[in-house]
Amino acid sequence: EAQVTQNPRYLITVTGKKLTVTCSQNMNHEYMSWYRQDPGLGLRQIYYSMNVEVTDKGDVPEGYKVSRKEKRNFPLILESPSPNQTSLYFCASSPSTGEWETQYFGPGTRLLVL
Amino acid sequence: GNSVTQMEGPVTLSEEAFLTINCTYTATGYPSLFWYVQYPGEGLQLLLKATKADDKGSNKGFEATYRKETTSFHLEKGSVQVSDSAVYFCALSDQAGTALIFGKGTTLSVSS
Repeated sequence: EAQVTQNPRYLITVTGKKLTVTCSQNMNHEYMSWYRQDPGLGLRQIYYSMNVEVTDKGDVPEGYKVSRKEKRNFPLILESPSPNQTSLYFCASSPSTGEWETQYFGPGTRLLVL
Repeated sequence: GNSVTQMEGPVTLSEEAFLTINCTYTATGYPSLFWYVQYPGEGLQLLLKATKADDKGSNKGFEATYRKETTSFHLEKGSVQVSDSAVYFCALSDQAGTALIFGKGTTLSVSS
């Protein structure tokens, strides 16, 4: 089954404690992306990757890092989480940049930073 | 820059009522337009799309027409069901093709 998986699905942490949210896709997609969803703000892109070792900032990259060492994985790293990073995070992938009709979203990771 | 404006929710309807969720956009060039649906506890799913002016996207009884003259892409359904209760997002593709620009989302609640 074609899918994007995220782990963990729920996470409660404390300010400053480094964490990683994993994202993996099984469709051999080149393009992957991270969004955060906040009430009243919709989804905003954090980072995206057009292929292995190619990543770039989205609209709200501050406080986040990503890496793309393998095609299937695109982890989101919060080196020093702060309460304003409490949010719902979605990973997405598509065959290549701009192929939105065949973009898959993961189920989401709900993060609470105390 | 590019942006999407959706009507504020929540929208509360009775089953079989007519639904309209307004969406207008600001963009340079001719973006593709999308409606996504998010059911409770799930990720986003593409509901329908339109890639050029006057195109009508449709799926599962939902429709939206790309109106360049009014820069709008309103979502409509003639008869909603309880199972349509979800959050609906209007979105457009950015000029570089590297991101979707989403509206804030509209929560629809349908009661029987």
